[in-house]
Amino acid sequence: GAGVSQSPRYKVAKRGQDVALRCDPISGHVSLFWYQQALGQGPEFLTYFQNEAQLDKSGLPSDRFFAERPEGSVSTLKIQRTQQEDSAVYLCASNRGLAGGITDTQYFGPGTRLTVL
Amino acid sequence: AQKITQTQPGMFVQEKEAVTLDCTYDTSDQSYGLFWYKQPSSGEMIFLIYQGSYDEQNATEGRYSLNFQKARKSANLVISASQLGDSAMYFCAMTSRLGTNAGKSTFGDGTTLTVKP
Repeated sequence: GAGVSQSPRYKVAKRGQDVALRCDPISGHVSLFWYQQALGQGPEFLTYFQNEAQLDKSGLPSDRFFAERPEGSVSTLKIQRTQQEDSAVYLCASNRGLAGGITDTQYFGPGTRLTVL
Repeated sequence: AQKITQTQPGMFVQEKEAVTLDCTYDTSDQSYGLFWYKQPSSGEMIFLIYQGSYDEQNATEGRYSLNFQKARKSANLVISASQLGDSAMYFCAMTSRLGTNAGKSTFGDGTTLTVKP
């Protein structure tokens, strides 16, 4: 596709519900990144994939957060038993990965705004 | 650990004037990339400009230039001829090339720029 897309754009969940957030990276991009952005702050790294391999998940806040990218393209970030502190915008980004070098520019999707009541 | 500091929570500039947004970083890595992103109220992160740690020339992209001073660990963004559409939040970010931080980006807390007519 032309850019990174994310769905849904907005999600309201009751505390304790499970949610799944989807990211479609730019076609051909090897690396995919998830970030959490709280209101008024910069994005915080959660996890990243190179193809289907999850190379770093050090930023996931707890074991309630799980990300996958089974075929090396679309990725899903799942949050189990949501809590109010999970309310944030979840941003997905992709880049060419190895082809562009590990510091290649990341291109971001529009984000999913999650509100946990 | 990597850290990005943006000391200006908010900045004002008159339309058509130039403005500098400050960014300092802290890292023990020798090879890294520095980025600036723009985030308008719509929420999407828009890539503006990139500087590699070994690049000797300061990066420029249209009205954007990056004033890179490696010894001072600063990477300030200069926007020339400000336009009303430049009003947004601006984030400085860094990605390391090697080591345990390789590939993941660290962001500052951002600077809100308001362009006055």
